[in-house]
Amino acid sequence: AQSVTQLGSHVSVSEGALVLLRCNYSSSVPPYLFWYVQYPNQGLQLLLKYTSAATLVKGINGFEAEFKKSETSFHLTKPSAHMSDAAEYFCAVSGPGGATNKLIFGTGTLLAVQP
Amino acid sequence: NAGVTQTPKFQVLKTGQSMTLQCAQDMNHEYMSWYRQDPGMGLRLIHYSVGAGITDQGEVPNGYNVSRSTTEDFPLRLLSAAPSQTSVYFCASSRRGGRATDTQYFGPGTRLTVL
Repeated sequence: AQSVTQLGSHVSVSEGALVLLRCNYSSSVPPYLFWYVQYPNQGLQLLLKYTSAATLVKGINGFEAEFKKSETSFHLTKPSAHMSDAAEYFCAVSGPGGATNKLIFGTGTLLAVQP
Repeated sequence: NAGVTQTPKFQVLKTGQSMTLQCAQDMNHEYMSWYRQDPGMGLRLIHYSVGAGITDQGEVPNGYNVSRSTTEDFPLRLLSAAPSQTSVYFCASSRRGGRATDTQYFGPGTRLTVL
């Protein structure tokens, strides 16, 4: 069965510092992977997705993620954190085999940005 | 486009009461789904639909019913509410059913409390 694991339920960074949010996946077939962001009291918004076209994926708001099959990882990064990045971030996997839209979410990482 | 809309935003029920959470989308999307979000557990799929007249169960379907009589609407029914159904409920849609790479668009959520 497919699953994703997000390491660190809470991450705190200083404004201007590197943001690194970790996601590892488990899948018996090549997965499709997503990062969603949830701002307080709002729904989820897609940041970026990996659909096997390119291993380095660029998303909105300066975020990017790299698919590493050898490490079964899809970590989210941003070079310089901004106060507006404070939100909860979810990694998700869909499939299996590309035949379904069903998303399996990680437990989320709450990002705090300190001034 | 209004996107994905959900009503109500907030609801308080007593144990045993029934209610329907409404979800509508105006993007002519084939695929619609319901998730519940609980602290520390991410989002879990309740039910989904790949088109009008077609529904199926997700990860946590017990206590919930759905129907899909039109492309636009996908209501979620709680027949006899229980405190364990206290959660935030999100509706999502994507353009095509059976396409794991499609972006899912989320509504703003309904916060339900069952006393």
